[in-house]
Amino acid sequence: DAGITQSPRHKVTETGTPVTLRCHQTENHRYMYWYRQDPGHGLRLIHYSYGVKDTDKGEVSDGYSVSRSKTEDFLLTLESATSSQTSVYFCAAHRGERYGYTFGSGTRLTVV
Amino acid sequence: KQEVTQIPAALSVPEGENLVLNCSFTDSAIYNLQWFRQDPGKGLTSLLLIQSSQREQTSGRLNASLDKSSGRSTLYIAASQPGDSATYLCAVAGNTPLVFGKGTRLSVIA
Repeated sequence: DAGITQSPRHKVTETGTPVTLRCHQTENHRYMYWYRQDPGHGLRLIHYSYGVKDTDKGEVSDGYSVSRSKTEDFLLTLESATSSQTSVYFCAAHRGERYGYTFGSGTRLTVV
Repeated sequence: KQEVTQIPAALSVPEGENLVLNCSFTDSAIYNLQWFRQDPGKGLTSLLLIQSSQREQTSGRLNASLDKSSGRSTLYIAASQPGDSATYLCAVAGNTPLVFGKGTRLSVIA
């Protein structure tokens, strides 16, 4: 496993405030991902990274930005949180195309 | 755009039954397919990874098959137990990052 740690595990924030979620991995995997999981929608890709400082948008990227300044850390930022961003956020990592994905335990974010 | 569908959405079976969960995908140009388990309020646990060149993978009471040409995979669970109750997710990786189905919620009744 990639030893993925997400922080915080739970967060409640107010509409309009910035929020940053952190994902840390210990296995030096090149690829990292942020997904959100919502009832009725399943897991959807927000952003992903294929190396330090190399990122790309996923299916639901509006309102989110990411940064990866070190191999082990992938940050997801909500610049101005909205109630529609209330969700469970999962980070994932993998070594390459032929390898499986490993997921973190998730961050439950509530925007009030 | 890759789309993944899982049928049924929910399934309830008595303990001891053998069961099959189905997954279909629209684009056969995949690298691999992965089955996950998710317990309520928890993260995703990888169960099986099948490469595009493989036909099946087995782990204990679980067997997953892959027919890439028809865009289908099945997860077979033998001798189901109440501890198997969870949501099972199918996901495919190809030219885009992992795309998920919406899952099958399984309840095994003692």
